[in-house]
Amino acid sequence: DVKVTQSSRYLVKRTGEKVFLECVQDMDHENMFWYRQDPGLGLRLIYFSYDVKMKEKGDIPEGYSVSREKKERFSLILESASTNQTSMYLCASLRSGRALTDTQYFGPGTRLTVL
Amino acid sequence: KQEVTQIPAALSVPEGENLVLNCSFTDSAIYNLQWFRQDPGKGLTSLLLIQSSQREQTSGRLNASLDKSSGRSTLYIAASQPGDSATYLCAVNRDDKIIFGKGTRLHILP
Repeated sequence: DVKVTQSSRYLVKRTGEKVFLECVQDMDHENMFWYRQDPGLGLRLIYFSYDVKMKEKGDIPEGYSVSREKKERFSLILESASTNQTSMYLCASLRSGRALTDTQYFGPGTRLTVL
Repeated sequence: KQEVTQIPAALSVPEGENLVLNCSFTDSAIYNLQWFRQDPGKGLTSLLLIQSSQREQTSGRLNASLDKSSGRSTLYIAASQPGDSATYLCAVNRDDKIIFGKGTRLHILP
């Protein structure tokens, strides 16, 4: 079974803090994704990566950055946390994305509260 | 730009009834379509994946159909149970990006 793990289930930070969210997958998947999920807005893609050291902006990258130094690990960084970044953050991985049978696997999510 | 819509946003159904959840998408050039389940406060779990060349997939009481030409998919749940209560999301896959609908929140009434 594919396992996608996230470093924290719940996190409380203060405005202006630098925040690191870590995601690790154990199936050697090429693609990894960070989403945020908010009521009424659904899942919105922040950043994704299709290879080590590669990253692509998603739909809402402002205020975020990412790091992928190793294939299995994809980190989301909030350089200076703000209250509007309070949300559920979901990480996902996908083998290649171009194969008809590829399915995306999700981590359990991190609920971040910024005070 | 691909858009995925799920209607209704919420649905309440008595236990034992069969039900259909709907998903529509604007661009038919997809690799596959996937239905996910999400329990409150949790991540997403994949239920069914339909390849672009397929018309339907079945798993237990779940049946998902795909009509690419009309940009529609349905998720049919037979003999609903209280444990089916969750949010159901559909997502379309094209290249390396997956686009999600906002989901249908399903409540099965005991």
